[in-house]
Amino acid sequence: GESVGLHLPTLSVQEGDNSIINCAYSNSASDYFIWYKQESGKGPQFIIDIRSNMDKRQGQRVTVLLNKTVKHLSLQIAATQPGDSAVYFCAENALNQAGTALIFGKGTTLSVSS
Amino acid sequence: EPEVTQTPSHQVTQMGQEVILRCVPISNHLYFYWYRQILGQKVEFLVSFYNNEISEKSEIFDDQFSVERPDGSNFTLKIRSTKLEDSAMYFCASSENLGPNEQFFGPGTRLTVL
Repeated sequence: GESVGLHLPTLSVQEGDNSIINCAYSNSASDYFIWYKQESGKGPQFIIDIRSNMDKRQGQRVTVLLNKTVKHLSLQIAATQPGDSAVYFCAENALNQAGTALIFGKGTTLSVSS
Repeated sequence: EPEVTQTPSHQVTQMGQEVILRCVPISNHLYFYWYRQILGQKVEFLVSFYNNEISEKSEIFDDQFSVERPDGSNFTLKIRSTKLEDSAMYFCASSENLGPNEQFFGPGTRLTVL
């Protein structure tokens, strides 16, 4: 079936490094993508989103890149901090409609050491 | 900042018992969702709800599950006869009604079925 997935289950970086978390999706009809951060014992927390008519979007210390040609999504975190340690999920909205399911990938666990 | 709230934070029940998980979505949101996350796995969509009816549901959401908006603020998930494999974190989410957009997640209810 169609799914959203991540390339690496874990990523370990040093404080201050830049982190890149990748995601591959397979549904060509998806036109909205979100990165969520999930800390231990908490619900997913919105980080940044991007629509398919864009290929890059920047937030505070985070950048999301979308390559529709190869169905690839990435999250870049600049100057990674210990507080960034969490599981990161990409998710897609499958039908370009409000109120439809988000399909989540399996998650990448980011560990930041100081 | 408005947030989605869920109660209880942890529910322990015996197999075969009924449970009701409760959520208070963000007040001006019109779309409501339930997701679940089995320990160590990805977040999975269960059901979405709009205008007092189910708008979409997954294969997981079988006849044992039901949702309800009993009043203007609460949104509930009922599991009629719990099974061991229903043990998971259950997340409620809500979103506004204009196009594909961010779903805000609650902190989750941990359901343990013994």
